Amino acid sequence: GESVGLHLPTLSVQEGDNSIINCAYSNSASDYFIWYKQESGKGPQFIIDIRSNMDKRQGQRVTVLLNKTVKHLSLQIAATQPGDSAVYFCAENISEGAQKLVFGQGTRLTINP
Amino acid sequence: NAGVTQTPKFQVLKTGQSMTLQCAQDMNHNSMYWYRQDPGMGLRLIYYSASEGTTDKGEVPNGYNVSRLNKREFSLRLESAAPSQTSVYFCASSFGTGGSYGYTFGSGTRLTVV
Repeated sequence: GESVGLHLPTLSVQEGDNSIINCAYSNSASDYFIWYKQESGKGPQFIIDIRSNMDKRQGQRVTVLLNKTVKHLSLQIAATQPGDSAVYFCAENISEGAQKLVFGQGTRLTINP
Repeated sequence: NAGVTQTPKFQVLKTGQSMTLQCAQDMNHNSMYWYRQDPGMGLRLIYYSASEGTTDKGEVPNGYNVSRLNKREFSLRLESAAPSQTSVYFCASSFGTGGSYGYTFGSGTRLTVV
């Protein structure tokens, strides 16, 4: 089906290389962050999360880094595979008033064979 | 265990027509959300329901209404569709409000208003 986010920032990497996707978040009161993966025609899927009292968290082939000083979040994917091709969104939980999850614009990751 | 189910998957409306997007979750979640996704805009929150019996506006509520029918179901209604409402709509649910509970998303409804 047609992909959403036709005008997203894009990142192309070779299969087997490591990928780094960056995200700048907006609110210094945000206390929790999540990376989601969205494949074409599907809803976002949880990848990994991190709380604001941490600066690094590792999962299987993925690592999230948080730099609160500059309000920056990154997702590192090791040894990228064709199945990693998707749009990746960062989301921040703003803990002011009614808590809600606010999503970034997204980055399209393309894996070249 | 289906997770979050949205219907329909695709819909084409004429300007001025009305329709209701349905969402149901079977995870006993308390909170439910409606987002829209436009090219280059990420996901924007339309309305949410923190718990059964409550609904609140999100970032872009104009032109929409919602109903939390019961704990499982949260519907989104367009009373008079406009071309600006052409988008992909996602329903999500979580145990509580705020991202720390984790959101589960449905597969989306692609709506075109002509």
